[in-house]
Amino acid sequence: SAVISQKPSRDICQRGTSLTIQCQVDSQVTMMFWYRQQPGQSLTLIATANQGSEATYESGFVIDKFPISRPNLTFSTLTVSNMSPEDSSIYLCSVPGQDSYEQYFGPGTRLTVT
Amino acid sequence: EDQVTQSPEALRLQEGESSSLNCSYTVSGLRGLFWYRQDPGKGPEFLFTLYSAGEEKEKERLKATLTKKESFLHITAPKPEDSATYLCAVQDYNQGGKLIFGQGTELSVKP
Repeated sequence: SAVISQKPSRDICQRGTSLTIQCQVDSQVTMMFWYRQQPGQSLTLIATANQGSEATYESGFVIDKFPISRPNLTFSTLTVSNMSPEDSSIYLCSVPGQDSYEQYFGPGTRLTVT
Repeated sequence: EDQVTQSPEALRLQEGESSSLNCSYTVSGLRGLFWYRQDPGKGPEFLFTLYSAGEEKEKERLKATLTKKESFLHITAPKPEDSATYLCAVQDYNQGGKLIFGQGTELSVKP
């Protein structure tokens, strides 16, 4: 399985600011996924990021709030813009397995907005 | 609409006390059902993929089974290190790579 790292691991941010989360994979992958895990909740897909094309967002998530970059096959960023306390969550990136459909997750970024 | 429901929400076991976790799902076209383990402060760790009814997978004390409507994660003679939240997710043929997760079962195994 791929080795996935995320930066930062955690952050405390003020309302109205933005935070960019990085996801690095040790192998080339076509698709990368960004999920959100709100306190006490399960994981919800924010968007799918393919290299060389615009990200595809799920219902309830918009590009202005969660812009995503995918400059190459091993890296992606997710920005949480104009943050409010409701954005306090764990943000996780994932990549698919090489020969099957499961996904492997990074360690997550724990974001607290005050 | 695709949906995943896990039960119970929380389960407390004594070490060695076997039990099962349930994952009920509704999906228009099942590509796969996935079990993950999540420890506090960490990302989900992949355990199993099940593709069709009747399929079973085993790993150490864990065994996952699948029917057309639900999946079970059987834990045999659990140990305290099995304590974690277990997540079930499905993938629909019609929704690309999206995983739809249940709420999870928080398992606590006491020595």
